Amino acid sequence: DGGITQSPKYLFRKEGQNVTLSCEQNLNHDAMYWYRQDPGQGLRLIYYSQIVNDFQKGDIAEGYSVSREKKESFPLTVTSAQQNPTAFYLCASSIDRAGTSNSNQPQHFGDGTRLSIL
Amino acid sequence: KQEVTQIPAALSVPEGENLVLNCSFTDSAIYNLQWFRQDPGKGLTSLLLIQSSQREQTSGRLNASLDKSSGRSTLYIAASQPGDSATYLCAVKGFQKLVFGTGTRLLVSP
Repeated sequence: DGGITQSPKYLFRKEGQNVTLSCEQNLNHDAMYWYRQDPGQGLRLIYYSQIVNDFQKGDIAEGYSVSREKKESFPLTVTSAQQNPTAFYLCASSIDRAGTSNSNQPQHFGDGTRLSIL
Repeated sequence: KQEVTQIPAALSVPEGENLVLNCSFTDSAIYNLQWFRQDPGKGLTSLLLIQSSQREQTSGRLNASLDKSSGRSTLYIAASQPGDSATYLCAVKGFQKLVFGTGTRLLVSP
């Protein structure tokens, strides 16, 4: 079945440590997104990528980094510079292609990774 | 800056009741509006997508309407069931990204 796989489901970070969250999709989608969800707040966009080897900062990119070396994969690294990393992280993808910002295709989401501080 | 608000924040109803969830947004320059469902500890499932040129979309017991000029959308759930219990999120699409509301937590009791 086509879908988005996020791993691990739970992750713990020690102080000063960088951790990487995995996101893989087999939907052949061009665009991929990372969101952060905190209790009582809506999803906030961290980074997005519309094509391989290109990505853009979202609303809360500080303390995070991404790469897009393959169409199927969009890993997110939470760096030690992110002072409050405890949250639920969601990866999404859509058919949207670069230059077609008005696409009316829905975003598809993975099941999330819950990150906590040790 | 686009802001999306959902009212009520939580709703509890008995099984079988029809209900309406509300979503409002501040900037009417949107490409589309999506309604999602989120179960506890899970990702989001897309329910309905309404393009900016459309007034409503229907899927089974769900009907979503869009009034772009007034910045409002409603999600109507007919004959609610306990399996409908979840958080419902709306999101509007502007240039290249979605902006989400904070959701309505729905509990349908048997």
